[in-house]
Amino acid sequence: NAGVTQTPKFRVLKTGQSMTLLCAQDMNHEYMYWYRQDPGMGLRLIHYSVGEGTTAKGEVPDGYNVSRLKKQNFLLGLESAAPSQTSVYFCASSSDPRRAYYGYTFGSGTRLTVV
Amino acid sequence: AQSVTQPDIHITVSEGASLELRCNYSYGATPYLFWYVQSPGQGLQLLLKYFSGDTLVQGIKGFEAEFKRSQSSFNLRKPSVHWSDAAEYFCAVGAGTASKLTFGTGTRLQVTL
Repeated sequence: NAGVTQTPKFRVLKTGQSMTLLCAQDMNHEYMYWYRQDPGMGLRLIHYSVGEGTTAKGEVPDGYNVSRLKKQNFLLGLESAAPSQTSVYFCASSSDPRRAYYGYTFGSGTRLTVV
Repeated sequence: AQSVTQPDIHITVSEGASLELRCNYSYGATPYLFWYVQSPGQGLQLLLKYFSGDTLVQGIKGFEAEFKRSQSSFNLRKPSVHWSDAAEYFCAVGAGTASKLTFGTGTRLQVTL
């Protein structure tokens, strides 16, 4: 049981380049999330999805786009990377929060550097 | 909107000593509360959670936390710290139909031998 898998684990981009981060979960979770982690700022929600075909903005969505074409996958896109997007990106998934076993399962992260 | 405050950025304790990490939250209704731990270069692992009921919750690795509504707190405790507990600890509050979690800024725990 792999849980939540993020690819790639590391990436260096030049300013203006684009890329897509992939998150895949095998737990049949409805909810998926993208967070970014920066020193001293904790984790901040970028975008999230409450089901296949749905997406919504989080706290810091500017400069990012997402898609959830399949229930198990949640893609995060950077159309034109900027140095301010240098961060560690975490994907997470969860079941329905009304369920007793509710809680996030996190991926191991993607370290992105934009130069 | 909910918010979480972890007032201690960095804490150092001796191995075998007790530990308490502070967490204060702001939310209008009964929140979902969580503690996560992150080892260097790793993702976040759930330590414990509170939804309702008994205000003292037990988690993995010998950790416990107590929900105090009157103080809007959910402090994490461990009676005897091990060197392997050195990590960063995040408190989080969940609310809303999408179960979005809001995280605190984290407390880095250093354990001295």
